[in-house]
Amino acid sequence: SQQGEEDPQALSIQEGENATMNCSYKTSINNLQWYRQNSGRGLVHLILIRSNEREKHSGRLRVTLDTSKKSSSLLITASRAADTASYFCATDEGGRGGSEKLVFGKGTKLTVNP
Amino acid sequence: EAGVVQSPRYKIIEKKQPVAFWCNPISGHNTLYWYLQNLGQGPELLIRYENEEAVDDSQLPKDRFSAERLKGVDSTLKIQPAELGDSAVYLCASSVSSGGADTQYFGPGTRLTVL
Repeated sequence: SQQGEEDPQALSIQEGENATMNCSYKTSINNLQWYRQNSGRGLVHLILIRSNEREKHSGRLRVTLDTSKKSSSLLITASRAADTASYFCATDEGGRGGSEKLVFGKGTKLTVNP
Repeated sequence: EAGVVQSPRYKIIEKKQPVAFWCNPISGHNTLYWYLQNLGQGPELLIRYENEEAVDDSQLPKDRFSAERLKGVDSTLKIQPAELGDSAVYLCASSVSSGGADTQYFGPGTRLTVL
């Protein structure tokens, strides 16, 4: 079963614009992670935000987490054609706080047009 | 550092045939995962190993799927017999269990087509 639900399912923007993807989930979590998957390649970990954090930055990525609304957003600033990929949120339901069981959403397919 | 290695990358078989996938995790990673990813969906966990012990196989269809991780390093996932609905990408991932939030590193996957 999949807990995370990304929105939108697909997003098409021009190079240089910002891209925002949202993720909603259903149960309590220890942390939430975002992954990227390029066509034909495996998933790559982008960023992790813990349940007691509200915002985190990594390069052009900004992630927010609102545990009261059970939602997270991923913002990619100044997008590039190379950012074209599917983006997945994954919630960690591990009892020990470790990422033992990641539950992935269906993903947002981002296309950045040059 | 070498990443997670999976083979084969692609496999086409006829239904009712057996198939096996192999995964070599990142050196030193004690936790290994097998995921199934259907087209347009996110990965779904099939089984998780800590060293050689399967600690979560609740989503593994045990009537036809089996997995092993001998010596706590490489792992194989087997389907016997394969069905049309098994067509998907099978992903292997590994991590180091630190007691905190662990990052999982994924291999490129094996794309299985069952005809």
